[in-house]
Amino acid sequence: EADIYQTPRYLVIGTGKKITLECSQTMGHDKMYWYQQDPGMELHLIHYSYGVNSTEKGDLSSESTVSRIRTEHFPLTLESARPSHTSQYLCASSELGSYYEQYFGPGTRLTVT
Amino acid sequence: AQSVTQLDSQVPVFEEAPVELRCNYSSSVSVYLFWYVQYPNQGLQLLLKYLSGSTLVKGINGFEAEFNKSQTSFHLRKPSVHISDTAEYFCAVSEGPPGTYKYIFGTGTRLKVLA
Repeated sequence: EADIYQTPRYLVIGTGKKITLECSQTMGHDKMYWYQQDPGMELHLIHYSYGVNSTEKGDLSSESTVSRIRTEHFPLTLESARPSHTSQYLCASSELGSYYEQYFGPGTRLTVT
Repeated sequence: AQSVTQLDSQVPVFEEAPVELRCNYSSSVSVYLFWYVQYPNQGLQLLLKYLSGSTLVKGINGFEAEFNKSQTSFHLRKPSVHISDTAEYFCAVSEGPPGTYKYIFGTGTRLKVLA
């Protein structure tokens, strides 16, 4: 079983608040990813990282930001939450090389009221 | 650009019946293919993957998939489903060339197993 953790699992927060979604993995994977998933929809890559101090924007534009100061930690931050940010956020990690599968965390379901 | 198509958004099937979930991809280079399952309120779990070699790939929970290069397909099958197989299934493709490590996911197929 993959060791990748996300907290919180569920978050309900008011508009304008700053939030940070945590993601940690204990597998020593260099690559980490953040996906956004709306109900019944495909996963959209919003951020990824190939290692410490490396971050890139994904295919779907997002107002969130990420950082990668430690290999095991890849937090996602929203400076000012809005109702349009309501979604499920999935974190994943993998070893280098495109043939290595991605391991997913359990997700954070965010609701912005 | 690569893409993944899962034509069936929902597939209802009776318990103990066989099921096939379809996945087609478009890519001009070699690909690596994956099927993931997502149970309610959980993350994605890898079912199986095709990297190279035998085109018939066996995964967990009795699932298997066949890679068909000429038809650019990677359909998922199970000969006899259980109620516990009710979940969302995602097909994903990753292209081979170094530096292109991102997955492209399909829109998912919701499998509903009926008693």
